[in-house]
Amino acid sequence: QKEVEQDPGPLSVPEGAIVSLNCTYSNSAFQYFMWYRQYSRKGPELLMYTYSSGNKEDGRFTAQVDKSSKYISLFIRDSQPSDSATYLCAMIAQAGTALIFGKGTTLSVSS
Amino acid sequence: NAGVMQNPRHLVRRRGQEARLRCSPVKGHSHVYWYRQLPEEGLKFMVYLQKENIIDESGMPKERFSAEFPKEGPSILRIQQVVRGDSAAYFCASSPRTQGGSYNSPLHFGNGTRLTVT
Repeated sequence: QKEVEQDPGPLSVPEGAIVSLNCTYSNSAFQYFMWYRQYSRKGPELLMYTYSSGNKEDGRFTAQVDKSSKYISLFIRDSQPSDSATYLCAMIAQAGTALIFGKGTTLSVSS
Repeated sequence: NAGVMQNPRHLVRRRGQEARLRCSPVKGHSHVYWYRQLPEEGLKFMVYLQKENIIDESGMPKERFSAEFPKEGPSILRIQQVVRGDSAAYFCASSPRTQGGSYNSPLHFGNGTRLTVT
């Protein structure tokens, strides 16, 4: 079993839809969780950062962490064509160790 | 305010040659990470360096690969005697402090070097 599992998609939605992206993980030691967005031919950029369980909201983006289920989610409200990208979940067990990434989910939002 | 600069953007090498990938972190960042991205595997951690020190190289292949981050100058990822399986996008990221912890210290990624081995 891989440490971090993420459905690669692709996921296609119409503009304005609510998008749900998810990752599961096996290492219960993970406690810092992130979502990165990567446009084609570019490096990833950080979208959301959460520590332990709970929700965090930033504009149209909401990140959820459920440590009991080892499950994290990213919700995008009112999706826009500019949201079309690959979304990668990432997590760390403890400060100072390496960030472990999921494979990424490719999202396409059509206008 | 320049971000992480990686060069070259594209690098073509024949099997058996050496590849040198350079990464200039964000000014003031002393933590550098190298990742490799393959289409079917996602981003894989290779090595974590601070100035003049390798902190974690657990993701680095034992042979042919080496990395450094000298006191002055860019970080270098070196691949000797390249093989076709080394073809991938190599990303460098930098941070002002170690990852994780109470304060958000995001990784700033460069746009990668795409290595093709023919």
